[in-house]
Amino acid sequence: DAGVTQSPTHLIKTRGQQVTLRCSPKSGHDTVSWYQQALGQGPQFIFQYYEEEERQRGNFPDRFSGHQFPNYSSELNVNALLLGDSALYLCASSPDPFGGPEAFFGQGTRLTVV
Amino acid sequence: DAKTTQPPSMDCAEGRAANLPCNHSTISGNEYVYWYRQIHSQGPQYIIHGLKNNETNEMASLIITEDRKSSTLILPHATLRDTAVYYCIATLNTDKLIFGTGTRLQVFP
Repeated sequence: DAGVTQSPTHLIKTRGQQVTLRCSPKSGHDTVSWYQQALGQGPQFIFQYYEEEERQRGNFPDRFSGHQFPNYSSELNVNALLLGDSALYLCASSPDPFGGPEAFFGQGTRLTVV
Repeated sequence: DAKTTQPPSMDCAEGRAANLPCNHSTISGNEYVYWYRQIHSQGPQYIIHGLKNNETNEMASLIITEDRKSSTLILPHATLRDTAVYYCIATLNTDKLIFGTGTRLQVFP
């Protein structure tokens, strides 16, 4: 079992550009959540996808959007990048929309905006 | 989710027990206490969770006070690989985890 996989591992973008990050959930999991982790801070919840729809959302602007595919994989899109969007972006998967006993996290994508 | 309070950092000698405290005085009756850890540059990893009874697994033990207002994560024989940030979270479900800044545990030789 490959667990939760994210791509790419590192990414450098210019302010104002758009970026797409990808996540494949753990086998058997149908729910994917995205988190943003700024340097020195704990992860912050962005949103959760279940049955190809956004089920709940944290306090993030509309520049952050997502998608879930029929195979349960997910994308996180960020438009009009700001320097403050530089962070580690984490994907977590779980076997049901209420989370189950534990959430499994990927290794993250390190986004640097210059 | 109930607010949790943890010390920002702790040290522990290798081979000794590491006891990481967490206060969650406003926890509600049906909220669980979860512990995750994050080793540098990796995603958070689930350790253990409990409701009111003490719990033990292959990684750690969780001691929850009778009034449920605080808990302690115990790593019985800390190793250098246990150096990480440890997060205590009080929540009903794990669908939306609210992370604080956690406790940075440094295990030294």
